[in-house]
Amino acid sequence: GENVEQHPSTLSVQEGDSAVIKCTYSDSASNYFPWYKQELGKRPQLIIDIRSNVGEKKDQRIAVTLNKTAKHFSLHITETQPEDSAVYFCAAPPDGNKLVFGAGTILRVKS
Amino acid sequence: DTGVSQDPRHKITKRGQNVTFRCDPISEHNRLYWYRQTLGQGPEFLTYFQNEAQLEKSRLLSDRFSAERPKGSFSTLEIQRTEQGDSAMYLCASSPGRNTEAFFGQGTRLTVV
Repeated sequence: GENVEQHPSTLSVQEGDSAVIKCTYSDSASNYFPWYKQELGKRPQLIIDIRSNVGEKKDQRIAVTLNKTAKHFSLHITETQPEDSAVYFCAAPPDGNKLVFGAGTILRVKS
Repeated sequence: DTGVSQDPRHKITKRGQNVTFRCDPISEHNRLYWYRQTLGQGPEFLTYFQNEAQLEKSRLLSDRFSAERPKGSFSTLEIQRTEQGDSAMYLCASSPGRNTEAFFGQGTRLTVV
């Protein structure tokens, strides 16, 4: 089955710096790669996603890159702000349905 | 609120008791998923429905767990003879199709004492 590995497990950055979180997946059948943000005590919410026919996607300060050959994708957050502090999860659905999540990255933005 | 809703938000139960959780998905979504999340971990897939058909169950879903979606709308997840290891956040999500955004509910936090 699909295996999604995510690193780092924790990341501390100074406000205004960039943050990068990386994920690798094992099942080449996966074609959709979402990133979820989960604040303490709240539900996971999608922040950006990318499909396999695209190598990069940007939405304001957030971008995701995908390398299908290497089976890895990354989340990039620029100009980090304190409200970016949360747990971030990458995921991949090997069958297009259920999501297999990474273990999460705790991002702390220090002001 | 037109998002995914779950009930109850919190449940404390004694070991050995049965519990049932409910999930109301976004109305036009035909796919409904149950996940379990423990502290410091990502959500783990339990089962999913397409309309009323339960199409996949994880090996995590022991025979004490059962889920239904009788009319292809709301779903229930029942845990029989609860154990302390069942303590977790149970998340429901729905989506409109393959490779589309899954919208999560607020979850039901289960504590087995």
